[in-house]
Amino acid sequence: KNQVEQSPQSLIILEGKNCTLQCNYTVSPFSNLRWYKQDTGRGPVSLTIMTFSENTKSNGRYTATLDADTKQSSLHITASQLSDSASYICVVSASGTYKYIFGTGTRLKVLA
Amino acid sequence: GAVVSQHPSWVICKSGTSVKIECRSLDFQATTMFWYRQFPKQSLMLMATSNEGSKATYEQGVEKDKFLINHASLTLSTLTVTSAHPEDSSFYICSARETGRVSGNTIYFGEGSWLTVV
Repeated sequence: KNQVEQSPQSLIILEGKNCTLQCNYTVSPFSNLRWYKQDTGRGPVSLTIMTFSENTKSNGRYTATLDADTKQSSLHITASQLSDSASYICVVSASGTYKYIFGTGTRLKVLA
Repeated sequence: GAVVSQHPSWVICKSGTSVKIECRSLDFQATTMFWYRQFPKQSLMLMATSNEGSKATYEQGVEKDKFLINHASLTLSTLTVTSAHPEDSSFYICSARETGRVSGNTIYFGEGSWLTVV
């Protein structure tokens, strides 16, 4: 069964600190993995998208990694800001389909 | 960048009435659009896949007669919640897959629509 699991479920950090969010998946055959940021009551906004051959991709203070062998991905946020408070969703798509399997998300709260 | 617009952003309706939510791709063509439902503090749940010019494909457990989806053009899909009940109150989000991109798999999300049924 194609699944995407994220951890932790929620996370609280102080402004300026770094954090890493995890995503494990069992989707096969793998096509690509995306990280989205979703502010409360808003639609998700794409942060990164990685295919099988990509190990890391950065978008400003966000750096995503992908290990296709272990089927794990991480999203590292550097020097967190209050505006980083949001839900971060890992989405994996399978080859040959337009289906996107969503993780349950990690709710991040950055405190001043 | 590509933009997907949803309208209305929020709507309140009475039980038993129907409400329509629009999803438009503003600067690209979208052969395929997706409709999701999201409950508080939960992830998005795919309701149906909408293909331009053909019937939508509904996920298991989603009533197609209650959630009517129309994708009449390459830039517009609509979701109509018929005979709405309070339990239909939720956050509805659409996404659109950009047609013809080399990557072939680029999707963009709308801002979502809050539906409250009273």
